[in-house]
Amino acid sequence: DVQLVQSGAEVKRPGASVKLSCRVSGYTFRDYYLHWVQEAPGKGLEWVGLVDPEDGETMYGEKFQGRVTITADTSTDTAYMEMTSLTSEDTAIYYCAVLYLSWGQGTLVSVSS
Amino acid sequence: AIQLTQSPSSLAAPLGDRVTITCRASQGISSGLAWYRQRPGKAPELLIYDVSNLDTGVSSRFSGSGSGTDFTLTISGLQPEDSATYYCQQFDRFPPLTFGGGTKVEIK
Repeated sequence: DVQLVQSGAEVKRPGASVKLSCRVSGYTFRDYYLHWVQEAPGKGLEWVGLVDPEDGETMYGEKFQGRVTITADTSTDTAYMEMTSLTSEDTAIYYCAVLYLSWGQGTLVSVSS
Repeated sequence: AIQLTQSPSSLAAPLGDRVTITCRASQGISSGLAWYRQRPGKAPELLIYDVSNLDTGVSSRFSGSGSGTDFTLTISGLQPEDSATYYCQQFDRFPPLTFGGGTKVEIK
């Protein structure tokens, strides 16, 4: 059974950074891209980026390029998404996902002074 | 980037009704088009992949069709659990992977 388990909710001040994790099980981590998706309040889904766990190659959405870093640790089958220079606009639920296989439960990031 | 435009943005229909949601792409897509259902407070669930393939365990009340730039999701026999927001998604040409704006379905 494919499972993606994400880290818990985060509360951050503007200007801070946050690092989320996504631990996978039930499939071979290296075999599929691992995506991150943002769901901001009252808005739809927006693709943040992906990592290829096989070689660490990454791709990012234009909105997140330069402020987000996605990595994969094949020793622990865990992917990470780090976002810097947080603003209130980054308040959202962030999902990790393996397309056509499974999604994580989501992690709420709240940014407020 | 390929833009996906969904219509309608919301709809309300009675139980048992048949509803159709449309997803129009700004450029032609060959096969990398999927549909998701997202219930309130939950992660999206895959319904249809590669335009018309039903994901494992998904009710046969759901069907997908289309080609080129126009795609549809049809829900036959609307049930209470179908009250949700539905999204189309393409990864035919990425980056970026893109989503439609969503269609909120309510039961009358």
